[in-house]
Amino acid sequence: DQQVKQNSPSLSVQEGRISILNCDYTNSMFDYFLWYKKYPAEGPTFLISISSIKDKNEDGRFTVFLNKSAKHLSLHIVPSQPGDSAVYFCAAESGTYKYIFGTGTRLKVLA
Amino acid sequence: NAGVTQTPKFQVLKTGQSMTLQCAQDMNHEYMSWYRQDPGMGLRLIHYSVGAGITDQGEVPNGYNVSRSTTEDFPLRLLSAAPSQTSVYFCASSYALAGGSLTNTGELFFGEGSRLTVL
Repeated sequence: DQQVKQNSPSLSVQEGRISILNCDYTNSMFDYFLWYKKYPAEGPTFLISISSIKDKNEDGRFTVFLNKSAKHLSLHIVPSQPGDSAVYFCAAESGTYKYIFGTGTRLKVLA
Repeated sequence: NAGVTQTPKFQVLKTGQSMTLQCAQDMNHEYMSWYRQDPGMGLRLIHYSVGAGITDQGEVPNGYNVSRSTTEDFPLRLLSAAPSQTSVYFCASSYALAGGSLTNTGELFFGEGSRLTVL
């Protein structure tokens, strides 16, 4: 049973446009969410996070939105750049010391 | 600053062989963990440790053993490798608060991964 779902395996976006990556979760007890970016042959790197007491968090070109009632979060990248092409994972904190990751969305930014 | 270092980067095993994936971090992190990444499955937690001498199971612990004798090292052992353990393995570490939350920085630091093939 996948508790954190990324239903879009891949996404292509033109350079300069907005990229929107989506993530849904099933457990209303999750209270902290993160996004990681992964390039081929590298480990994931932290991108941005959000606590359940907020509905938005921004860091430069990256904004994460959280809709608790819908159990949905999204990552917006504006403007998208070719260097943003990577696999993006969302993750939720599931109790003490455990993160549950989604299956990932491969973003391709076209020049 | 090396961060999280995993060795080896690549390994091919035969069914039934044993091996150890090494993980070391130099950030004095109390929390360390092992994940496996499989196509269509995302990252799944195998085992984790909140400090030297303390380990616990994650989502997919079967077939793997861990120990934590020092703060720096967290090896993952496969005692009898099976083809189902073919995967990319990632070690990750973080600060850990006494209250049990990882959310002080919201960040796991990952190694570069170890690709394991079991024939």
